[in-house]
Amino acid sequence: AQSVAQPEDQVNVAEGNPLTVKCTYSVSGNPYLFWYVQYPNRGLQFLLKYITGDNLVKGSYGFEAEFNKSQTSFHLKKPSALVSDSALYFCAVRVTGGGNKLTFGTGTQLKVEL
Amino acid sequence: GAVVSQHPSWVICKSGTSVKIECRSLDFQATTMFWYRQFPKQSLMLMATSNEGSKATYEQGVEKDKFLINHASLTLSTLTVTSAHPEDSSFYICSAPDTTGSQPQHFGDGTRLSIL
Repeated sequence: AQSVAQPEDQVNVAEGNPLTVKCTYSVSGNPYLFWYVQYPNRGLQFLLKYITGDNLVKGSYGFEAEFNKSQTSFHLKKPSALVSDSALYFCAVRVTGGGNKLTFGTGTQLKVEL
Repeated sequence: GAVVSQHPSWVICKSGTSVKIECRSLDFQATTMFWYRQFPKQSLMLMATSNEGSKATYEQGVEKDKFLINHASLTLSTLTVTSAHPEDSSFYICSAPDTTGSQPQHFGDGTRLSIL
C-alpha cells in the first residue's frame, strides 16, 4: 500500500524568505505525486505534480517541488514566501490501481509572517 | 477550466435532521466522484466513491446507511447525512476525477456541516 508522510504539522517562515514543506512517500512502483493547497473553509487547489521526467517540477503561484527517488521525498519549495501563501498544504500520491484515487498526507500548516 | 460546484457551503441544523449535499461537475462529465470528510486541522478522509448509475463504494468503517450517496447523472452526485447527530459535524468535500490528465481530481469548496 502507498503512503505519504508530512513530518511537520506547522512551518513558520518570514515573508521574503524561502520556504520548504516536507513530504516523503512510500509506494510500490513508480510514484505519481501531487501537492495541493487548502485555504480556510475551501476545497483543495492543485499546485503541481510529478509523473515522470525532470526531478524539479514547477507549479502554480511560484511553487516548485523536487522529486528525490533515493530519499523518497517530494518537498515543496518557494524561493520567496508571501503572507498570502499561508494555508494548509497537502502532499498526495496516486493509489496504485485506483484510477484517480489519492492518498493524502496529514497536511502542513504554513504560516508566513511579516 | 474544470470546475466542481458543491452546495450548500454551510449547513446548521438540529439533531435528527437529514442533510443533503450536492456536488456538480460544471463543464465536464464525471462517472465517478469522491466524497471526503475532514476534521479540524486534519487530513482528508475518503468516505466513498460514487459511481454513476450504480452503487457507491464505501471505505472501511463508513456507515452506508448513515451516509447515503446517489450519483444519478454524469454531472451530479449527492451525499445525504441521515438522522444527523453532533458527531457528524464536519467539513465534507467532494471531488471529481480530471478528464484531461492535467491533475487527478478537481475539488469542490466543501460543506461545513454543524449539527446542534
